[in-house]
Amino acid sequence: NAGVTQTPKFRILKIGQSMTLQCTQDMNHNYMYWYRQDPGMGLKLIYYSVGAGITDKGEVPNGYNVSRSTTEDFPLRLELAAPSQTSVYFCAIRDSRVENSPLHFGNGTRLTVT
Amino acid sequence: AQKITQTQPGMFVQEKEAVTLDCTYDTSDPSYGLFWYKQPSSGEMIFLIYQGSYDQQNATEGRYSLNFQKARKSANLVISASQLGDSAMYFCAMREGRLQAGTALIFGKGTTLSVSS
Repeated sequence: NAGVTQTPKFRILKIGQSMTLQCTQDMNHNYMYWYRQDPGMGLKLIYYSVGAGITDKGEVPNGYNVSRSTTEDFPLRLELAAPSQTSVYFCAIRDSRVENSPLHFGNGTRLTVT
Repeated sequence: AQKITQTQPGMFVQEKEAVTLDCTYDTSDPSYGLFWYKQPSSGEMIFLIYQGSYDQQNATEGRYSLNFQKARKSANLVISASQLGDSAMYFCAMREGRLQAGTALIFGKGTTLSVSS
């Protein structure tokens, strides 16, 4: 039972390139989230999903896109990468059936855009 | 205005001592939840403890306890008997409202705790 798996662990992109950060869960939770963590800034919500086929924007969605075609997968797409997108990206899941359920995080993807 | 404020960028404590990490929050919703996470240098996010706004007693989980003062809107994390392995970044986070579709957590900027021997 891996929980939340994120790939890749590290990536270096050139300005203007695109990539997809993968997130897969095996806990059958409906709620999935993408956060980014900049140094000294805590975590900020990019996008979230409450189930397959449903996504919504968070606090900092610009420059990103998501899709949720299955319960298990919630990929984050970066189009036209910019240096401001250099960050650590975390995918998280939550059990929608339990009100006080915490977020369970993947191990993160460290992205550098140069 | 910030929803979650952690005013201590860094804290230092000796092994076996207790330490309090501060967290204040801002919400007008009567129903909310407060969470603390630990992030060691390896980078993963580890859930520590939860306090609901309607909970009558302060939450405890092993060496972690939450000093919840609702009127002051504070939810400080207390770590008793600090260990070297407690050295990490600690984040306070809040969920506003009852279980609504996709309610995410709002995070503070974190406090770095350093435990020395």
